[in-house]
Order: sequence, then structure tokens, then C-alpha cells
Amino acid sequence: QKEVEQNSGPLSVPEGAIASLNCTYSDRGSQSFFWYRQYSGKSPELIMFIYSNGDKEDGRFTAQLNKASQYVSLLIRDSQPSDSATYLCAVTAGNQFYFGTGTSLTVIP
Amino acid sequence: DVKVTQSSRYLVKRTGEKVFLECVQDMDHENMFWYRQDPGLGLRLIYFSYDVKMKEKGDIPEGYSVSREKKERFSLILESASTNQTSMYLCASRPPGNTDTQYFGPGTRLTVL
Repeated sequence: QKEVEQNSGPLSVPEGAIASLNCTYSDRGSQSFFWYRQYSGKSPELIMFIYSNGDKEDGRFTAQLNKASQYVSLLIRDSQPSDSATYLCAVTAGNQFYFGTGTSLTVIP
Repeated sequence: DVKVTQSSRYLVKRTGEKVFLECVQDMDHENMFWYRQDPGLGLRLIYFSYDVKMKEKGDIPEGYSVSREKKERFSLILESASTNQTSMYLCASRPPGNTDTQYFGPGTRLTVL
């Protein structure tokens, strides 16, 4: 069984702060890593993907991957109330995606 | 833009009914997936398909079947709906390639009474 673990939260940060979301995975053969945002009652939408060790930045979002530690994280800079959502980590092995249970983030105005 | 549509946003059925959930994608993707999502349990894979008429069981296939007669359409069938199948059902499609994301449909909130 391929495990993807996330702290379920809730994580609360003040507006303008950095939110840090973490994810660990069990399968060393995992190839690609994705972060999705899901608003209540909506379907997941892609924020970022990363497949090489190191950092990848896209606007206010930075994904970090450490394959040796089997760890992937998402940093959200200058957090906004509109960032309040559940964030899902997903890893792939072949055609299949394996999802964590998500971390609930609340950004307090 | 990739579009994945699902036949219903909300559905209410009675125990024992046969239920069809349909998913259509417009990007000629080979891979299609059905998940259910429940609080605290995350997204769990029911079935996936990597080609027309091909299907593979996911983690929780019991009580479900699927059909893929055309590349763009992937149907989930609940043969005899039960109350424990009340859930949010999400369809997704994905092109081949390890770095490609899945594209999700809007979801169907199914309630079985």
C-alpha cells in the first residue's frame, strides 16, 4: 500500500504570513508530485507539480521536494483569505495517483 | 482548456436502485479515473481505465462497476446502491506522461436513502 501522509490540520495563519504545508510518502519509486487546492464542495484544482529535487516557485507558491527524505512541501507566501481551503498532496507511480487526506488551511484576516 | 463534465452535481437515490454516474472529457485523454471522497478518508480510487474497454480495479471497487465504450466517456455503475455509498464522486482524466496532472470534473454528490 502506497502511503501519502499529511497533517490534517486545521492550520491557521494570519493574512500576509507564510503557510507551510507538508507531505511525506512511502514509495521511493514515486515519480511526480502534485499539490491541489480544494474549496469546500468543489473539485481539486492543480496548484503546482514538481518532479526534481529542490525548489520550484510559481508566484506566491513554492514547492519543495526531497526524494531522499521522501518529503514534499508547499509554501504559500503572503497568505490571503482566498487561500483558505484544503490542500491535497498527490504522488504518482505509473498511471496511478495516490492522495493524502489533505490539510485544511484557514487564513485569518 | 481541458473540460471534464459529470452528468449530475447532486443525486438522491434509494437503497437497492441501480445508479449510473457519467463522466465525459473533451481532450482525448487515454486515462480516466473514478474516486470517491469522504471526510477524513481523502480521495480513494474506485476504478481507472487506460484505454477503451480497459479497466483496472482501484482500492475500493466492491459494489461498483465501470464501462468505457468510447474514449471520451467513463461511466461508474452502482449495481445496487447502499447507504454507505453516500459520498462525493469525482471523475478525472489524464493524458499519458508521468508529469501530467489529472483534470477533475465538478463532482457528483450522491445521497442514498
